[in-house]
Amino acid sequence: DAGVTQSPTHLIKTRGQQVTLRCSPKSGHDTVSWYQQALGQGPQFIFQYYEEEERQRGNFPDRFSGHQFPNYSSELNVNALLLGDSALYLCASSLRQGAFGYTFGSGTRLTVV
Amino acid sequence: GENVEQHPSTLSVQEGDSAVIKCTYSDSASNYFPWYKQELGKRPQLIIDIRSNVGEKKDQRIAVTLNKTAKHFSLHITETQPEDSAVYFCAARIPGGGADGLTFGKGTHLIIQP
Repeated sequence: DAGVTQSPTHLIKTRGQQVTLRCSPKSGHDTVSWYQQALGQGPQFIFQYYEEEERQRGNFPDRFSGHQFPNYSSELNVNALLLGDSALYLCASSLRQGAFGYTFGSGTRLTVV
Repeated sequence: GENVEQHPSTLSVQEGDSAVIKCTYSDSASNYFPWYKQELGKRPQLIIDIRSNVGEKKDQRIAVTLNKTAKHFSLHITETQPEDSAVYFCAARIPGGGADGLTFGKGTHLIIQP
């Protein structure tokens, strides 16, 4: 049974560029959440997708956007990258909105130079 | 929004001793409190969780307690082993209205001394 898979594992981008990160949820899960984890910090909630709609958003600017596809996979897009966007981006999946038990992927390490 | 405070930031204990990590939360509507273990370079892994209708939950050497009145919850690890060394995060969730995101504490680096 495949867990949560994220791609790519590592990425280096230049300030001002745009980036797209991808996530495939655990088999049977239909809800995807994205988190940003800066070095030495706890994950911070970016947003959550369910039924292809953004259901909740954390305290992140509009430069952060996302999408969920009919197969429940999801993308996180970040525009106009800043040095401060350098972090580990984690995807977590769960079964339906409001469920208990989130499974995290291994993350994408984004470095902005 | 929800705010979660976690203490201590670093905890060093002798192998075989117990470790306790404490968290407080701000929103009394929070109803779900998971604990994650994250080893260096790896994904956070759920080790135990508790819902607001339960005061305590145990799973072998790990236990979590919840005090809703005081709005705090704690992770207890007994008979610590070297493989328990990792960063531990507590989290809280506010339910309803599409509010599903977890709010995490800043983490506790647990070091097990041989």
